[in-house]
Amino acid sequence: KAGVTQTPRYLIKTRGQQVTLSCSPISGHRSVSWYQQTPGQGLQFLFEYFSETQRNKGNFPGRFSGRQFSNSRSEMNVSTLELGDSALYLCASSLARAEQYFGPGTRLTVT
Amino acid sequence: AQKVTQAQTEISVVEKEDVTLDCVYETRDTTYYLFWYKQPPSGELVFLIRRNSFDEQNEISGRYSWNFQKSTSSFNFTITASQVVDSAVYFCALSEEAAGNKLTFGGGTRVLVKP
Repeated sequence: KAGVTQTPRYLIKTRGQQVTLSCSPISGHRSVSWYQQTPGQGLQFLFEYFSETQRNKGNFPGRFSGRQFSNSRSEMNVSTLELGDSALYLCASSLARAEQYFGPGTRLTVT
Repeated sequence: AQKVTQAQTEISVVEKEDVTLDCVYETRDTTYYLFWYKQPPSGELVFLIRRNSFDEQNEISGRYSWNFQKSTSSFNFTITASQVVDSAVYFCALSEEAAGNKLTFGGGTRVLVKP
């Protein structure tokens, strides 16, 4: 079975721009979660989508948003980028209530 | 609120030594799940184990073993006869039943195994 894939793997953006990251879950997995990893804050939960509905949301500003499509693929969007948004963004997929499998991540650098 | 604490930020051992990683958690839920993940230098988080709150049985998988104790809210992880390939950052995480699949991670413990 193919694992979780994330595109792009690396991204460089300028402050004020917006960015969209994509995640394709493991086939059959309907839950997709997003996490931000930074040296200062560690791994933090952004949101979870299940069957195209946001099921849970972390403590991030409204500039961070996401969505899930009918094929379970998910995208997250960050608008008006700030330097502090530089991070590794990890996507994870799982069956309804089970262990999560992570993708390789997208490393975002904001300059 | 849920919280996971990994007090050890970095552990350095010589190959073949055993290493134990500590994890202490806080939750108000009676039903919850505990996890360990490994993050090698490549960056991808690799799932190692999941435990349910109602299953305190310890588990051994090859050189890995886990000790879950609800009485002390701890879920410790031991690598026996460590190898250089075990060098990575290890994360303990908690998921509450009421919070869907949201994982709360500890700060991680970096393990360096020297040859």
